[in-house]
Amino acid sequence: SQQGEEDPQALSIQEGENATMNCSYKTSINNLQWYRQNSGRGLVHLILIRSNEREKHSGRLRVTLDTSKKSSSLLITASRAADTASYFCATDGGYSSASKIIFGSGTRLSIRP
Amino acid sequence: SQTIHQWPATLVQPVGSPLSLECTVEGTSNPNLYWYRQAAGRGLQLLFYSVGIGQISSEVPQNLSASRPQDRQFILSSKKLLLSDSGFYLCAWIPLGQGRSEAFFGQGTRLTVV
Repeated sequence: SQQGEEDPQALSIQEGENATMNCSYKTSINNLQWYRQNSGRGLVHLILIRSNEREKHSGRLRVTLDTSKKSSSLLITASRAADTASYFCATDGGYSSASKIIFGSGTRLSIRP
Repeated sequence: SQTIHQWPATLVQPVGSPLSLECTVEGTSNPNLYWYRQAAGRGLQLLFYSVGIGQISSEVPQNLSASRPQDRQFILSSKKLLLSDSGFYLCAWIPLGQGRSEAFFGQGTRLTVV
């Protein structure tokens, strides 16, 4: 079964607007990561946030982590057409299964010009 | 620099035929290796992962198997393919001992079982 579930499943916004995607997970983790996938390609790592961190920034990306709610959000500011892709969160299995990396179901983001 | 090779890019196989997908990593040693399957428009399902030669953890499949004959080689196999084995197969690796946890993905193999 999947550890993470993204919300929404699909998101369509106007270029220049901000996009927010959410991820919920079930078990304890060491870190949570976000990845991007262009259609029919492999995944590319975007950002990693550790379980003792609450917020992290990388360029136009902002990730938050709330371990008490077992949830994370990815914010993309000032969206561009090139941001159109699917976005996935991924978690490890925590102390007992640190090597087991589970992905969520993903959010398909479409940026309208 | 480290790279990952996954082949073939596309594959069409008849039901009941065998399968062998290979993934190799260059420029690192003792990586964690992973096989995922992705159905169209869906998330990634973890199939197998390996933390060392000969060490395979199986997550889901009844019809698939994985092997790690060498440190940087990960093979996904099936003796007899089913229609339900169709999908996009992705290999990934994570560097160990470098304080890094991000996964690096191959370009994937799109398998169609007919």
